[in-house]
Amino acid sequence: AQSVTQLGSHVSVSEGALVLLRCNYSSSVPPYLFWYVQYPNQGLQLLLKYTTGATLVKGINGFEAEFKKSETSFHLTKPSAHMSDAAEYFCAVTPMEYGNKLVFGAGTILRVKS
Amino acid sequence: DSGVTQTPKHLITATGQRVTLRCSPRSGDLSVYWYQQSLDQGLQFLIQYYNGEERAKGNILERFSAQQFPDLHSELNLSSLELGDSALYFCASRPYTNTGELFFGEGSRLTVL
Repeated sequence: AQSVTQLGSHVSVSEGALVLLRCNYSSSVPPYLFWYVQYPNQGLQLLLKYTTGATLVKGINGFEAEFKKSETSFHLTKPSAHMSDAAEYFCAVTPMEYGNKLVFGAGTILRVKS
Repeated sequence: DSGVTQTPKHLITATGQRVTLRCSPRSGDLSVYWYQQSLDQGLQFLIQYYNGEERAKGNILERFSAQQFPDLHSELNLSSLELGDSALYFCASRPYTNTGELFFGEGSRLTVL
């Protein structure tokens, strides 16, 4: 079975500061890992994904995440926060077998202060 | 724009009623997933279809049912509605690649009064 834990339901940063959103996963088989973003009144948009290969993956809007198998983590970072980054972020996991559902974490709401 | 289309965007109805939510997946995607998003439960997987056949069930109530039609669009039917069914219902489709990502529609917001 797969599960995802996102540490911190709310994170607040100042504009220009580092963004760090934490995600730990549990998976019985090698996983695919994802970060999605949800802006108010919108659907979920894929930010980035880890499948195989390079453990540091880059996504849209300057975000990146590093897969650390030994720590079962997939934290999301951005060097400099922008006001437009304010949204809810979801980490998700699925096993590396076609056709399986994504299991989502509870989400982290990112607030960016001016 | 993800390419996944959901209708209606908003729906307000009364307890005990029945509603149908519709989803058109991205062109070429055979898999459709339904998720429910609520404040207390977060994003919960409901059900998955692949090329017209049910493939997996999650936390879907017996009052809810779904199907996928030959043209690959899907419908989620919610009946005997209760106040607690108020939520955002998302449809997602999955490309036939072994990388796992889902593409989500903008959701249907259901309010049960």
